[in-house]
Amino acid sequence: DAGVIQSPRHEVTEMGQEVTLRCKPISGHNSLFWYRQTMMRGLELLIYFNNNVPIDDSGMPEDRFSAKMPNASFSTLKIQPSEPRDSAVYFCASSPHTGNEQFFGPGTRLTVL
Amino acid sequence: GEDVEQSLFLSVREGDSSVINCTYTDSSSTYLYWYKQEPGAGLQLLTYIFSNMDMKQDQRLTVLLNKKDKHLSLRIADTQTGDSAIYFCAERAGSARQLTFGSGTQLTVLP
Repeated sequence: DAGVIQSPRHEVTEMGQEVTLRCKPISGHNSLFWYRQTMMRGLELLIYFNNNVPIDDSGMPEDRFSAKMPNASFSTLKIQPSEPRDSAVYFCASSPHTGNEQFFGPGTRLTVL
Repeated sequence: GEDVEQSLFLSVREGDSSVINCTYTDSSSTYLYWYKQEPGAGLQLLTYIFSNMDMKQDQRLTVLLNKKDKHLSLRIADTQTGDSAIYFCAERAGSARQLTFGSGTQLTVLP
C-alpha cells in the first residue's frame, strides 16, 4: 500500500519566490497534518484538516503561509513570498477517522537562498 | 500548554538494551507515541500506548508509562546498528487530533 506521498522531495529556491508543497494522504484517511522540522524548533504542527476542513491553523507562522485541501486526496502548503528562515523539512501526515495512528510522508526539504 | 522533553543523546553497545526516556506535562494526554527517524527520512511510527495502560510490548520494543509521574520510556532489547536513529516521543491530548513532539533522542549503537 502506498503511504503518504509528498512532492517535491527537495526544493531549492530564491528568496521572494513562491513555493508550493504537495501531499497525497493515505487513501481513506480523513485527517491531514502539515508539520515543519527545524534544528532550532524541532517538529511543529502548522495546520491540520479534518474531512478537508481546516481545524487548527494556529501554528501557521504568518500570512505568507497558506494551506488548502480541495479534496480528500490532495493538499498543498504554499509559501509566498519565501524567506531564508523558511528553510526546513516540511512533513505531511495523515490519520484515519477511527484510528489513533498518524503516518508521515518522507518530507520535503526546502532551502530558500 | 503541552511540553514534551527528552534527553538529546544516548549511546549503547550492540546487543545491549537501550532505554529512551520522555516526560510530558499535559495530564489530559490520551495517547503517547514513539516514532523513529533515520537520516534523510520521514518519521516511522513504532508504537503507541493508551494512557490507561502502563505497559505495551511489541517484539523487541517495550513501552512503559508512569502516568502519575508523566514519564514514558521505550526499551529496545538486543539493540542493533540498524536501530541507530532519532527517536521521538509524542503525546496527543484529550480529543485533539494533533501530536506534540519532543526534541528527539539520537541513539547511537556502537559495534
